[in-house]
Amino acid sequence: ETGVTQTPRHLVMGMTNKKSLKCEQHLGHNAMYWYKQSAKKPLELMFVYSLEERVENNSVPSRFSPECPNSSHLFLHLHTLQPEDSALYLCASSQDSGLLKGEQYFGPGTRLTVT
Amino acid sequence: GENVEQHPSTLSVQEGDSAVIKCTYSDSASNYFPWYKQELGKGPQLIIDIRSNVGEKKDQRIAVTLNKTAKHFSLHITETQPEDSAVYFCAASSTGTASKLTFGTGTRLQVTL
Repeated sequence: ETGVTQTPRHLVMGMTNKKSLKCEQHLGHNAMYWYKQSAKKPLELMFVYSLEERVENNSVPSRFSPECPNSSHLFLHLHTLQPEDSALYLCASSQDSGLLKGEQYFGPGTRLTVT
Repeated sequence: GENVEQHPSTLSVQEGDSAVIKCTYSDSASNYFPWYKQELGKGPQLIIDIRSNVGEKKDQRIAVTLNKTAKHFSLHITETQPEDSAVYFCAASSTGTASKLTFGTGTRLQVTL
């Protein structure tokens, strides 16, 4: 276990549904990330939060909406998704200072299928 | 932005042999190079990393080397075991505010008996 948990582990949703992915880290880190992992493509960084402030938004469509209420929790709100959004969504966290700066620890992911 | 290329995409070795995976990066400002192992149904797991102030790092059967001049780094696994079978990803970043990793496309390693 890496200390990063994600729920749900699997999600099937229709294109008109609204759902949320949840991530929680138990490592005392101060930065959190959302990545998208599709088959045969590199992991794509979607959002970065540092000290609960969004510092990166890699041109992600507005149908993905992140929320970081505190340094331990990260959400990804989903609405009006497309079938091509089906992928593994990974959450990660890191300590944004000190000797271990840069080390990111990933959760197990949420396998999302959009029908 | 940073671009990371990884080779080979698949690698099959016999148990006990060594495996080498290579990556190149484009941004000379990158200073942190982790390697991740991803098993089926799991998220990527950090297995070893190297920072640009060192050229080599070892941890038991795995080692990473870094050539800053050529902008390439490699993962070496010795005495491979079946449990080493997984997908391995390299990544690069500059450790500014909230490090932004750029990943390679992954290498599927199969260790056969």
